[in-house]
Amino acid sequence: AQTVTQSQPEMSVQEAETVTLSCTYDTSESNYYLFWYKQPPSRQMILVIRQEAYKQQNATENRFSVNFQKAAKSFSLKISDSQLGDTAMYFCAFMKGGSEKLVFGKGTKLTVNP
Amino acid sequence: SAVISQKPSRDICQRGTSLTIQCQVDSQVTMMFWYRQQPGQSLTLIATANQGSEATYESGFVIDKFPISRPNLTFSTLTVSNMSPEDSSIYLCSVGGAQETQYFGPGTRLLVL
Repeated sequence: AQTVTQSQPEMSVQEAETVTLSCTYDTSESNYYLFWYKQPPSRQMILVIRQEAYKQQNATENRFSVNFQKAAKSFSLKISDSQLGDTAMYFCAFMKGGSEKLVFGKGTKLTVNP
Repeated sequence: SAVISQKPSRDICQRGTSLTIQCQVDSQVTMMFWYRQQPGQSLTLIATANQGSEATYESGFVIDKFPISRPNLTFSTLTVSNMSPEDSSIYLCSVGGAQETQYFGPGTRLLVL
């Protein structure tokens, strides 16, 4: 079974600074996808970024980028120029190719301070 | 991305009663998923709902407790039966989109007294 580990229960960052959230996973699969979801206090789950395991290039979405280290099974999220609206729970998630089932980590609560 | 709505958005229920949560999608989808998020916890998949067939439940979840209907390709319901305070959670439905991405509804916050 796949597992996803987020070792940082809480983090904080000053507005406009950069923060990195960690995620490691365990799988024997070769075809899989990795995601970061954001859940603000409104509780809506919002997709932040996705990464296909077969792609070597790290995914980027505006201020959000990932550092995907396949051999180390690491998938960290970097948020640049942090904004107050980035305050939320961030969940790392794994999906086996073709399954459509997500396995989530326990989440990291990120607070952006003014 | 799909637009997903859920009803009710929140409810307070008495133990021993049942609550049915509705999930509506603005486009036809093959599979819909139901997740539970217990207070302060991550999301756990309850079951996968395919139109026209029985839902597939994950380990630890049973049909008698969480019956699911999937009458068409845009709608599904999850019932939480014979509720206890331990069922207090956020229940979310999701659907698959392009490129193996899942999109989530806004969730239903349930409190059982």
